[in-house]
Amino acid sequence: AQSVTQLDSQVPVFEEAPVELRCNYSSSVSVYLFWYVQYPNQGLQLLLKYLSGSTLVKGINGFEAEFNKSQTSFHLRKPSVHISDTAEYFCAVSYGGATNKLIFGTGTLLAVQP
Amino acid sequence: DADVTQTPRNRITKTGKRIMLECSQTKGHDRMYWYRQDPGLGLRLIYYSFDVKDINKGEISDGYSVSRQAQAKFSLSLESAIPNQTALYFCATSDWGQGSGDTQYFGPGTRLTVL
Repeated sequence: AQSVTQLDSQVPVFEEAPVELRCNYSSSVSVYLFWYVQYPNQGLQLLLKYLSGSTLVKGINGFEAEFNKSQTSFHLRKPSVHISDTAEYFCAVSYGGATNKLIFGTGTLLAVQP
Repeated sequence: DADVTQTPRNRITKTGKRIMLECSQTKGHDRMYWYRQDPGLGLRLIYYSFDVKDINKGEISDGYSVSRQAQAKFSLSLESAIPNQTALYFCATSDWGQGSGDTQYFGPGTRLTVL
């Protein structure tokens, strides 16, 4: 079955420290990968996406993610976090095809402490 | 103005009541979706529509129904609300077919509480 795994339900980190949020997906020939962010009491906002091409994808707010096909991973990174990055982050995957849909992970709460 | 809007933003209702959540979009996308979000479970797909005449059940459609009144409008109904339908509901749209990989754009959500 197609699935997305976010192993960390919560990641505490101090302000200005680097952070990595992990995402793994079940293997497939072709995938489209996404990271969304949900700030408190708000909807989901697209952070970045991988469709094809360069495996290193840069997004908004200084975030980037790297697509690793051999490890079926799409981890999200930021070299220095701010208090304002505190939010829930969702990884999602589409396995391609005109009728395919997004499958979401269960989310990782990034808690940035001063 | 927001591209995807949802009304109401918050709703408290009682068990057995009929509830309708509405979604409108100005993005011109053909595809629209309804999800519910529960703590620790992420987003789960309730219904989706690839165009006005194409409506499909998602993974958790029991107890819900939808109506696609126009390309821009997609409503979700709870015919007889029950407490375990208390959740945050999101509408989304996507522009598949334009090289987007089915990138979805979300509304602000409706927080529904069923007492």
